[in-house]
Formats: sequence, C-alpha cells, structure tokens
Amino acid sequence: GAVVSQHPSRVICKSGTSVKIECRSLDFQATTMFWYRQFPKQSLMLMATSNEGSKATYEQGVEKDKFLINHASLTLSTLTVTSAHPEDSSFYICSKERTDTQYFGPGTRLTVL
Amino acid sequence: KQEVTQIPAALSVPEGENLVLNCSFTDSAIYNLQWFRQDPGKGLTSLLLIQSSQREQTSGRLNASLDKSSGRSTLYIAASQPGDSATYLCAVKPGNTPLVFGKGTRLSVIA
Repeated sequence: GAVVSQHPSRVICKSGTSVKIECRSLDFQATTMFWYRQFPKQSLMLMATSNEGSKATYEQGVEKDKFLINHASLTLSTLTVTSAHPEDSSFYICSKERTDTQYFGPGTRLTVL
Repeated sequence: KQEVTQIPAALSVPEGENLVLNCSFTDSAIYNLQWFRQDPGKGLTSLLLIQSSQREQTSGRLNASLDKSSGRSTLYIAASQPGDSATYLCAVKPGNTPLVFGKGTRLSVIA
C-alpha cells in the first residue's frame, strides 16, 4: 500500500504556542492531501483538503486562520495549529488518495497544557 | 449530508467466534465504501474497499458486504483472534469528495 508519514508522532505544548505537523507522501506525488481530526471515541472529522500550489479548502466550522495548511510540494503538506489551546488537544491524521483508496498517516497526538 | 452510523459501539467476544459489525449510511449515492482498522493511538489500516457496483469483498478471514440501496454494509470476521482486537471504522466516499467516517466499533477478542 501507499506510504504516508507524519511528524511528530506526539507533541505536548503550552497553551498559546504554535505547533507544526508534517505529512509526507513517501512513494508517489500527491497533489491533494486531507487533514482529519479525531477526538477520543469519536469519528474522524475532515478538517480541510490540502491542494498543492493553491489554497486549502476548509470544512464548515474549521477556522482557517487557526489551522494553517501549506502544501508547497507534491510530497509535503503541513498543518500548523496556531495559538493552541487545550480544546485543540486531539489526534490529527493526514491522508492521500490513489485510485479511489485513501491511505492514512500514523497520526499525531497533540496535547495542549 | 451523508451520515455514517456503526453498531454496536463496542463488542466483546471469546476467541474463535464469528462476528458481524454493522455500518449504515443515510445517502445511498456513494462512490465506494471502506472498512479500516485502528489500533489505540495509531493511524488507520485499510482492510477492504467495496466499489458501489460491487456486493462484497473478501480478504482472508474478513468479508465485507454492501447493499447500497438500503444503505448498509457489514464486516464479517471469521474465527476471531485476540490480535483482531481494535476499533473498526466504516467510511463512505460520497462521489468526488473525501471519506465520511462512522464512529467505529471497538472490538475486544478475549483469549
């Protein structure tokens, strides 16, 4: 299957700081990547679609100024949680798609103190 | 808006049992349906993908069925093992848009 990596796998930060999460496609170029968020015992919720070379498309209710997405190359998309607060603590997962199948990264556990 | 529901939310069975996990979706106009496995604190592993024109897919001890007209899918696990313990997620692809997920079924297989 296709390979997606995420870094870091786990991060703990103080309230008010910004955190950057990287999502890399290791085997093929991905013009589109997806960012999901998962709260404990909840479903994965799509936050935004990251498009290489253009602005990301955000889902309703997701603040684009708080969750900055940059897809500067065909193998890397980044999600920056700006001025993080405890309610932003969650599991963030990215994915890419190939031939109708989505492949997911291992996820990043963010804890904001 | 497409909604995906999974029943039961949690399931505990003794090793060796056959079991069925259920998934329903509100809009039958889907492109495909996928079943994933998620271990605690980990990412997702794709188990089976069923295209909208297909009725079922099989992989080893796993069999997934799809009844698009009634908005239902089942994941059948034969001869369950403790290593099958995980959360199983159902997701539908509503056309040329990203996947919509259910909340999952948390499975525990007791040795």
